[in-house]
Amino acid sequence: QVQVVESGGGVVQPGRSLRLSCAASGFTFSSLAMHWVRQAPGKGLEWVAVISYDGSHKYYADSVKGRFTISRDNSKNTVDLQMNSLRSEDTAVYYCARDYLASLDYWGQGILVTVSS
Amino acid sequence: DVVMTQSPLSLPVTLGQPASISCTSSQSLVYSDGNTYLTWFHQRPGQSPRRLIYKVSNRDSGVPDRFSGSGSGTDFTLKISRVEAEDVGVYYCMQGTHWPQFTFGQGTKLEIK
Repeated sequence: QVQVVESGGGVVQPGRSLRLSCAASGFTFSSLAMHWVRQAPGKGLEWVAVISYDGSHKYYADSVKGRFTISRDNSKNTVDLQMNSLRSEDTAVYYCARDYLASLDYWGQGILVTVSS
Repeated sequence: DVVMTQSPLSLPVTLGQPASISCTSSQSLVYSDGNTYLTWFHQRPGQSPRRLIYKVSNRDSGVPDRFSGSGSGTDFTLKISRVEAEDVGVYYCMQGTHWPQFTFGQGTKLEIK
C-alpha cells in the first residue's frame, strides 16, 4: 500500500535552517511528482513546493521562494525540503503528498516545524 | 494566481440533515485536455487531509456515497446527503488545473448542531 512518511521537524531559531525528508513506498516513486504542503497552527492548507517526477522541474510558493529548496532521490524514494532563513511565519505542520493526475491523493502524517527563539 | 473561495466558512448541521459547501475559483478550472482538476478534502482534528473527491465528481475508494461533488468552470459544490457524526471537521477544495501551483480554499468547518 502507498505510504508517505515525513521526518526531520523540530524547533529551530529564526534565521536558521532545517531539512525535512519524506520517504515514500508502495508505488513507482520515479513516475510521479511530489509536493510539500503546510498548515500553520489553526489555519488552512498552503501549498509550498512541487518537484517533477525526474527532479528536472521545481516550483515554489512566493512565500518560500529563494529560501526553500525541494529535491528528490529516486534511488531512495525520498523527497526533501531544505528550509533556510526560517521565519516565525514558517511555523507549521508540513505535509508531503503524492501528485496523481493533478490531485494530491496520498498524504503523510505531517511533521511539525516550530521557528522560535 | 488562482484564488479559491469557499462558503460558508462555518457550517452547523443537524445529524441526518444535508449539507452543502460552495467553492468558486477566480479562473476557469477547465484544462486543455478537457478535464477539470478540482479536488475536495476532509480533515479531522489532528489528522492529515483525506481526499474525498477528484476531478469534480469522482469519489475516492471507501468514501461513502452520501458525499457528492458537482460543478463546472468556476463554480463547484460538495454535498453531503445526510450528515453523520464522523463528518465533522474541515473541508477544503483545491485546484490542480493551473499546475504546478495548486491552490486551496480557506476551508469550511462542519460541526454538529
